[in-house]
Amino acid sequence: QSALTQPRSVSGSPGQSVTISCTGTSSDVGDYNYVSWYQQHPGKAPKLIIYDVTERPSGVPDRFSGSKSGNTASLTISGLQAEDEADYYCCSYAGRYTYVFGTGTKVTVL
Amino acid sequence: QVQLVQSGAEVQRPGASVKVSCKASGYTFTNYYLHWVRQAPGQGLEWMGFINPSGGSTSFAQKFQVRLTVTRDTSTNTVYMELSSLRSEDTAVYYCVRNYNSGLDYWGPGTLVTVSS
Repeated sequence: QSALTQPRSVSGSPGQSVTISCTGTSSDVGDYNYVSWYQQHPGKAPKLIIYDVTERPSGVPDRFSGSKSGNTASLTISGLQAEDEADYYCCSYAGRYTYVFGTGTKVTVL
Repeated sequence: QVQLVQSGAEVQRPGASVKVSCKASGYTFTNYYLHWVRQAPGQGLEWMGFINPSGGSTSFAQKFQVRLTVTRDTSTNTVYMELSSLRSEDTAVYYCVRNYNSGLDYWGPGTLVTVSS
């Protein structure tokens, strides 16, 4: 399985919105509504922020939202805040009881 | 509360094996799959595989099919990940993670495995 493709970096000013894409294939992202997103600050374990494409775990701000179209999933951060500066990873179920992560995106708050 | 406590850092020689443990608490151990995810220094996340603690069934990424073994002990709520034939590229932080729906909701603190001669 090849890693899902994410942009290496995205940036935005406080208050702006940024969107991170996660492109897979018809065998993973395109075939299942099982996409999740993770936020990872330096030196910390990742944190789940979106699961099942659009669902937010309890405690995750509604500034984070997920969507999917075809083979591409997206994470949008609205009202960007300084603490949102981190690495973000998508993950998709890939069939046959396997999963695959994205390549990761560094979000910079200008 | 949910806790995943992992064993300590390891240094192993190339060709050796490493076994990392993950002790779960704060929930019903057999109700949630446990995954292993690794992250090499400065690199991204890589899914390795999972175990169903209830029946012990496992599934692994193709690249780990031969070298990876994951087992569980329901008497101690502990999962074990053993990776054999270690090479320098296996140097990474290894995370034990609980599965919730399609997400991985609780992450252990990670175990650094260093492969060096």
